Amino acid sequence: EVQLVESGGDSVQPGGSLRLSCVGSGFTFSNYWMHWVRQAPGRGLVWVSRIYSDGSGASYADSVKGRFTISRDNAKNTVFLQMNSLRVEDTAVYYCARDFSHALDVWGQGTTVIVSS
Amino acid sequence: QSALTQPASVSGSPGQSITISCTGTNSDVGNYNLVSWYQQHPGKAPKVIISGVTRRSSGVSNRFSGSKSGNTASLTISGLQAEDEADYFCCSYAGSYTWLFGGGTKLTVL
Repeated sequence: EVQLVESGGDSVQPGGSLRLSCVGSGFTFSNYWMHWVRQAPGRGLVWVSRIYSDGSGASYADSVKGRFTISRDNAKNTVFLQMNSLRVEDTAVYYCARDFSHALDVWGQGTTVIVSS
Repeated sequence: QSALTQPASVSGSPGQSITISCTGTNSDVGNYNLVSWYQQHPGKAPKVIISGVTRRSSGVSNRFSGSKSGNTASLTISGLQAEDEADYFCCSYAGSYTWLFGGGTKLTVL
């Protein structure tokens, strides 16, 4: 079964850091670009970041550029999202998703990040 | 990077057809045939139903169809069923390896 499982969500204070992980299984992880997408409570989906299949390049939404870093370890079938200088407005469920022809065809169940003092 | 524009809500009776619009610009929707649509039930992860503007995902009913004209993409659901009640999001590739989602549309089946 093709599957993505996120972890690492937590409650942190503004200015803090968190590292999210997403493990893929049931497919050749190293063949696919991967994305992170977030959804604030009661709000819509927002694209956050994408990384090439070999990790050689990444892109970010303006709202997280310079604060978040996406990376991957293909030997462990894992993509990461390092989140620094967290703000209250970063509070959301964070999903990782697989890219297939510029659509997101497999999604994880999400991990919750709460930024609050 | 402004979100694509979708109606906040649409509704229809069982058996009817509805269409959800998704309006962008000539930098995203209008410039690429890379619009996808996602269905999200409460408390669940999104599920892709349409990619590449018109391509239905495996296992998705042929009651779902996608189209595009200029800067506006559309999702049509025919023969509405109770299980279609969900939130629907469009997404477009926006160039420079960035993507934009719409704000989402809540579909109510009356």
